[in-house]
Amino acid sequence: TQTVSQSDAHVTVFEGDSVELRCNYSYGGSIYLSWYIQHHGRGLQFLLKYYSGNPVVQGVNGFEAEFSKSDSSFHLRKASVHWSDSAVYFCAASSTNAYKVIFGKGTHLHVLP
Amino acid sequence: NSKVIQTPRYLVKGQGQKAKMRCIPEKGHPVVFWYQQNKNNEFKFLINFQNQEVLQQIDMTEKRFSAECPSNSPCSLEIQSSEAGDSALYLCASSLQGNSDYTFGSGTRLLVI
Repeated sequence: TQTVSQSDAHVTVFEGDSVELRCNYSYGGSIYLSWYIQHHGRGLQFLLKYYSGNPVVQGVNGFEAEFSKSDSSFHLRKASVHWSDSAVYFCAASSTNAYKVIFGKGTHLHVLP
Repeated sequence: NSKVIQTPRYLVKGQGQKAKMRCIPEKGHPVVFWYQQNKNNEFKFLINFQNQEVLQQIDMTEKRFSAECPSNSPCSLEIQSSEAGDSALYLCASSLQGNSDYTFGSGTRLLVI
């Protein structure tokens, strides 16, 4: 069974804090791992992806994520969050040989002023 | 602004009515997906196309839902007879390769009353 799990439904931090949003996956074979952001009532925006190579990938707006095969994880991090980062973040996995993506249930990031 | 254009933004239908939504994929993207996102942020894959051909679809799509991606026209997703449980955000996404780098539209929020 292919699964993507995000253990935290809500994360609350203050503006300027660092944050880590967690994602664990269970997938056979080669996969792409991605993170998306969804602001309230909007569609998904692509942040970053990993397939191979350097396990730390850089994305837009200062986000980065680190792939760990041993932990089956792909956690998203940002060193200093801004209030505009408040949104729901989705971790996603897709197989390299199938046209389908599986999403986690999302983590709602609340950034307080 | 998303490069995938979805219309209408909001759709309100009575039970039993038809509900039709449209999607213009990002230019040059041959693969198009439809997903249903419910109020719990859960994504359900509905159907995908490569050019005009259906690649995969779930049972729900086969029975009450119809979708097409004609050449030189927007893709569309239509619910033949809307049910209350169909109320959700319907997201269209396109991709160059089909297994990564999805560009999502802003979605059509359907309310069935």
